[in-house]
Amino acid sequence: DAKTTQPPSMDCAEGRAANLPCNHSTISGNEYVYWYRQIHSQGPQYIIHGLKNNETNEMASLIITEDRKSSTLILPHATLRDTAVYYCIASPYGGGNKLVFGAGTILRVKS
Amino acid sequence: EAGVTQFPSHSVIEKGQTVTLRCDPISGHDNLYWYRRVMGKEIKFLLHFVKESKQDESGMPNNRFLAERTGGTYSTLKVQPAELEDSGVYFCASSQDPISNEQFFGPGTRLTVL
Repeated sequence: DAKTTQPPSMDCAEGRAANLPCNHSTISGNEYVYWYRQIHSQGPQYIIHGLKNNETNEMASLIITEDRKSSTLILPHATLRDTAVYYCIASPYGGGNKLVFGAGTILRVKS
Repeated sequence: EAGVTQFPSHSVIEKGQTVTLRCDPISGHDNLYWYRRVMGKEIKFLLHFVKESKQDESGMPNNRFLAERTGGTYSTLKVQPAELEDSGVYFCASSQDPISNEQFFGPGTRLTVL
């Protein structure tokens, strides 16, 4: 699985967009970019995934560069409940593949 | 729909004792995974079941760990004998979508070995 690099921490004002970057310069053609988050004392939670096109769901948007070497997770209107550790994971597509977690980015949403 | 459940939520045991962790996946999910986070480290994969079969157990740290999934429903992870370095949070996850790899995680079991 390709290694991903994320900043260790970020702050965001409540109500503003949170933009979390991720570098995955060695990502292979069959690997998708997945984002999970872990809110304190809970299990990780799936957010979104994508291959090369931008994706949006009810939680977030995912912007992947054309060369697929980096991506950005966007939380359009961050709330205090979005404070969590966010993980960017490159993993082969298809069910049944293990997730390789890195250190992630601690996002602190402040009022 | 009930999510992934894990039991117990916390366990405190002494070194050398045995502990069994249980995971109940979302009903109908064939894929079941175990992960763990030890103190100060990243979440690490332990193993993956497809129904009752072990598909990948490359992350199991040693033979003190035994995972089972009889009948392809719930799974247990036994640590025998427990060592201090086994302390951490053990997560279970399940998935069913054969296309995506969205995994649903349980709340975890916090294991403390004294």
